[in-house]
Amino acid sequence: AQSVTQPDIHITVSEGASLELRCNYSYGATPYLFWYVQSPGQGLQLLLKYFSGDTLVQGIKGFEAEFKRSQSSFNLRKPSVHWSDAAEYFCAVGGYNTDKLIFGTGTRLQVFP
Amino acid sequence: DTAVSQTPKYLVTQMGNDKSIKCEQNLGHDTMYWYKQDSKKFLKIMFSYNNKELIINETVPNRFSPKSPDKAHLNLHINSLELGDSAVYFCASSLGRGSQPQHFGDGTRLSIL
Repeated sequence: AQSVTQPDIHITVSEGASLELRCNYSYGATPYLFWYVQSPGQGLQLLLKYFSGDTLVQGIKGFEAEFKRSQSSFNLRKPSVHWSDAAEYFCAVGGYNTDKLIFGTGTRLQVFP
Repeated sequence: DTAVSQTPKYLVTQMGNDKSIKCEQNLGHDTMYWYKQDSKKFLKIMFSYNNKELIINETVPNRFSPKSPDKAHLNLHINSLELGDSAVYFCASSLGRGSQPQHFGDGTRLSIL
């Protein structure tokens, strides 16, 4: 079955610290992978996507993610977190032969000054 | 210049009523979606239309009926509202089919009294 697991429900970091949010997926074909961010009261915004090619993808707001097929993972990273990064982060998986994205349950990021 | 706009932003109503949520996108996209986000932030696809044709119809009570008058609009009508319908409903759009990046509206928070 297709699924996305985000093991961390809630993460707290200090401003300026590095960040890694975990995402593991289960997908029967070549996956298309996404990270979205949701600020309070707003919709989801696409941070980055992976379809093929270079397994390290760069996104907006200084985020990057690395696709590791052997580990079925697509972890999101940022070298130095800003207070404005506090939000809910969602990983999602789809594929070329489906119109549907499967979303993870989200990781809430809290940033302390 | 809002890309995906939903109205209303908040909807408070009583059980048994019928209500509609409207969505419009000005991105020139061919595909539109309705998602339901529950109180635990879990995001689940409900429906999707491509060029006014229904392409995703998840297991949703038939009290929910989407309508797409043209490819820039996708409305959601809900009959006989129940307490369990309380959630945030998101509209999204994408260019074409097949797990393309999706652009989300800011959501409609539906509260059933």
